[in-house]
Amino acid sequence: NAGVTQTPKFRILKIGQSMTLQCAQDMNHNYMYWYRQDPGMGLKLIYYSVGAGITDKGEVPNGYNVSRSTTEDFPLRLELAAPSQTSVYFCASSPGYGGDYEQYFGPGTRLTVT
Amino acid sequence: KQEVTQIPAALSVPEGENLVLNCSFTDSAIYNLQWFRQDPGKGLTSLLLIQSSQREQTSGRLNASLDKSSGRSTLYIAASQPGDSATYLCAVRSGGSEKLVFGKGTKLTVNP
Repeated sequence: NAGVTQTPKFRILKIGQSMTLQCAQDMNHNYMYWYRQDPGMGLKLIYYSVGAGITDKGEVPNGYNVSRSTTEDFPLRLELAAPSQTSVYFCASSPGYGGDYEQYFGPGTRLTVT
Repeated sequence: KQEVTQIPAALSVPEGENLVLNCSFTDSAIYNLQWFRQDPGKGLTSLLLIQSSQREQTSGRLNASLDKSSGRSTLYIAASQPGDSATYLCAVRSGGSEKLVFGKGTKLTVNP
C-alpha cells in the first residue's frame, strides 16, 4: 500500500510554461485535495474532489486546473506558469466527509518558476 | 472566515522537557481538528484527530485537547526527544465544508 504518491518531486519551470503535477492514491479514497505551501506559511487549498468526475475550487484556484477521471488519480495542471506559483504542492486524500476522517498527504512537489 | 493561529512560531527546549503547543481558531463551528507533523522537505503526517464531540485524544507521548467554546486546542508532548524536532501544524475542518484551514505551524527543536 503506497498511500499517496506525487510526481515529480522537484521541477523548475520557465515563466509561461505549462506542466501537470501527478497525484495518485491506492486507498480507494473518494476525497482528494491539492494544497500549496509557501515558505513559513500554512497550507492553502487549491482544488478538491469528492469523487470521480466531481471537482470544486478551494481558496486559491486561479492559475490551476484539475480533472478527476478515476478514483485513483487527481492531476493538477498549471497553465502559463508565473513566479507567484513557486511553492511546494501537496496532494492529500481522505476516505469520506465529515468529522471522522483524517487526510493523508503525499510527499510534495517542489516547484520553482523563474 | 475561519482563521487558525499557532503560538509560538518557534520553540526550542532541552531533551526530556514536557511542552505545550497552542492552536486557536476563530469560528467554533468545527467538524474536527487535526494535528500534523512535518519534517523538513517532507509531507505531512497526521498525529491526532479530535472530533468536535471529543475533548481530547492521546497517542503515546502526545495528548491533544480541544475546547470548542473558547476556540482553542493544545498539543502536549511529554518527555520530549530530539526525534520530536519538526514543525507541528494544526488544521480545522469547519462545519459544512470540505476544507481544512491550516495554521502556520510551530517549529519545535529539542536539543540533546
